[in-house]
Amino acid sequence: NAGVTQTPKFQVLKTGQSMTLQCAQDMNHNSMYWYRQDPGMGLRLIYYSASEGTTDKGEVPNGYNVSRLNKREFSLRLESAAPSQTSVYFCASGMIAFDQETQYFGPGTRLLVL
Amino acid sequence: AQRVTQPEKLLSVFKGAPVELKCNYSYSGSPELFWYVQYSRQRLQLLLRHISRESIKGFTADLNKGETSFHLKKPFAQEEDSAMYYCALSILTGGGNKLTFGTGTQLKVEL
Repeated sequence: NAGVTQTPKFQVLKTGQSMTLQCAQDMNHNSMYWYRQDPGMGLRLIYYSASEGTTDKGEVPNGYNVSRLNKREFSLRLESAAPSQTSVYFCASGMIAFDQETQYFGPGTRLLVL
Repeated sequence: AQRVTQPEKLLSVFKGAPVELKCNYSYSGSPELFWYVQYSRQRLQLLLRHISRESIKGFTADLNKGETSFHLKKPFAQEEDSAMYYCALSILTGGGNKLTFGTGTQLKVEL
């Protein structure tokens, strides 16, 4: 049981390049999320998916797109990378317990945009 | 809009000393609050949630609605407690659970 996995672990892009960050979970969770973590700003929600086939914007969606490919996979795409998107990206999936949802996080992807 | 404030970027204490990591929130509804921890080079993981009133690794947190606070406490700090701690507020929407995180507090336990 691998939990939440993310690929790649680290990536360097040039401004204007595109890339897709992959996320998969094997816990049969319905909800999945993408966050970015920046120094002094904590984690901010980019996009989320409450269930297969649905996606919604979070706090900072500009410059990103997502795809919920199936229940297991939720990808984040940068169509034209900008230096401001240099960050650590975390994927999470959510499980309901005690009438609350607990989110389980992946190991993160470090992205550097030059 | 909801907001979570962690006023301390860095908290340094000696081993065996009490620890209190502050968290204040603003939210017009009934809050659901969590503490997450990130140890060095590890992923973010849930430490505790207010609704279950649990104590994990000696840490406790009490929701004070009057002061809109959810401070994390431990009576005796251990070296292995050194980590980044995030307070988070949960809003259950019709689709999913949106977490709003504070900016985090780096706890450093010195020998």
